[in-house]
Amino acid sequence: AQSVTQLGSHVSVSEGALVLLRCNYSSSVPPYLFWYVQYPNQGLQLLLKYTSAATLVKGINGFEAEFKKSETSFHLTKPSAHMSDAAEYFCAVSVNTGNQFYFGTGTSLTVIP
Amino acid sequence: DVKVTQSSRYLVKRTGEKVFLECVQDMDHENMFWYRQDPGLGLRLIYFSYDVKMKEKGDIPEGYSVSREKKERFSLILESASTNQTSMYLCASSLRAGTSGGLRTNEQFFGPGTRLTVL
Repeated sequence: AQSVTQLGSHVSVSEGALVLLRCNYSSSVPPYLFWYVQYPNQGLQLLLKYTSAATLVKGINGFEAEFKKSETSFHLTKPSAHMSDAAEYFCAVSVNTGNQFYFGTGTSLTVIP
Repeated sequence: DVKVTQSSRYLVKRTGEKVFLECVQDMDHENMFWYRQDPGLGLRLIYFSYDVKMKEKGDIPEGYSVSREKKERFSLILESASTNQTSMYLCASSLRAGTSGGLRTNEQFFGPGTRLTVL
């Protein structure tokens, strides 16, 4: 079975500090992994995706994530938080059939001025 | 740009009413999905469709049905709305796996959501 665990439902960082949002997956086959961001009262927007090419994936707005097979992790990072990064972030894994995603429960990021 | 639109941003209905949520995408995607989003539970898949007139149950299909008569439109139906169906409903679409550069999965594009309140 496939699943995604996001550690920490709420994360607070100071403006300019490192952002680290954690995602661990469980998959019986090589996964495709995604990070989405949701701003208040909006749908989800793709930040980045891992599709078995480079293990370090760069996304929009300065975010990146590293696929670590040995740790079954796909943590999201950004070197310097900006106020506009305050949002909810979701990690997702796709299964071998390719069409269905499994989402984590989300991490709400607060950026403190 | 892919555009996924949902018929309403906010909807208030009464218990027992039949509710229709409509979703339209303009990118000729084969796959369409309905999720509900609740605090602390993330996104849970209700139904998805990989072709016209085709549907598959997701993780929480009870109390819902769907209709896909045209490729661009996917409707979610609450036959008899109940208060525990108060939630944010998100529609998404994607290309069928294998159709974009050989990838066996493709990103999902989301609509803005419909916040449904059942009184």
